[in-house]
Amino acid sequence: AQSVAQPEDQVNVAEGNPLTVKCTYSVSGNPYLFWYVQYPNRGLQFLLKYITGDNLVKGSYGFEAEFNKSQTSFHLKKPSALVSDSALYFCAVRDMNRGSTLGRLYFGRGTQLTVWP
Amino acid sequence: AAGVIQSPRHLIKEKRETATLKCYPIPRHDTVYWYQQGPGQDPQFLISFYEKMQSDKGSIPDRFSAQQFSDYHSELNMSSLELGDSALYFCASSLGTGGIPNSPLHFGNGTRLTVT
Repeated sequence: AQSVAQPEDQVNVAEGNPLTVKCTYSVSGNPYLFWYVQYPNRGLQFLLKYITGDNLVKGSYGFEAEFNKSQTSFHLKKPSALVSDSALYFCAVRDMNRGSTLGRLYFGRGTQLTVWP
Repeated sequence: AAGVIQSPRHLIKEKRETATLKCYPIPRHDTVYWYQQGPGQDPQFLISFYEKMQSDKGSIPDRFSAQQFSDYHSELNMSSLELGDSALYFCASSLGTGGIPNSPLHFGNGTRLTVT
């Protein structure tokens, strides 16, 4: 079964400081990992994905994520946080094994990021 | 760029009523997913369609049904509504179910259903 875990319900950081939102995964087969961001009463917006290749993935709005196979982690990072980054962040893994659940996206519980001025 | 369109944005229904949610995927996307997000919860997969056929089924109650039409739009029909059905319902679309494995899901802004 595929699953992701986000160990922190909330992350608070000052504007201008680096931020990290943690995610660990458990998959059978190769991991296809994603980060989405959700603003209040809005849909989930795709930030970035890891399929294969470089362990450091760059995405939208200056975000990047580091894939670490040995630690089964896919932490979301940004060198300098903005107040406008405050939102709910979801890590997700996509089931790419042949079978009825092929393509299904499994989400973590979400991490509320608050960036204060 | 065109995004996933969902309608209505908000819907208020009473218990035991029915509701129909609509989803219009991004043009050329052939796969539609439905997710339910309860208050403070992560999105839970309900059902998906690929080329107008049901491709996967998750935790969708028997009271709910869905289909994808010839123009690729999808509708989620919900009957005998219960208070616990109050949630944000998302539709997402992508290109292929694994045929193009790096095609991310693109989500609509959701329909907020309130059952009173």
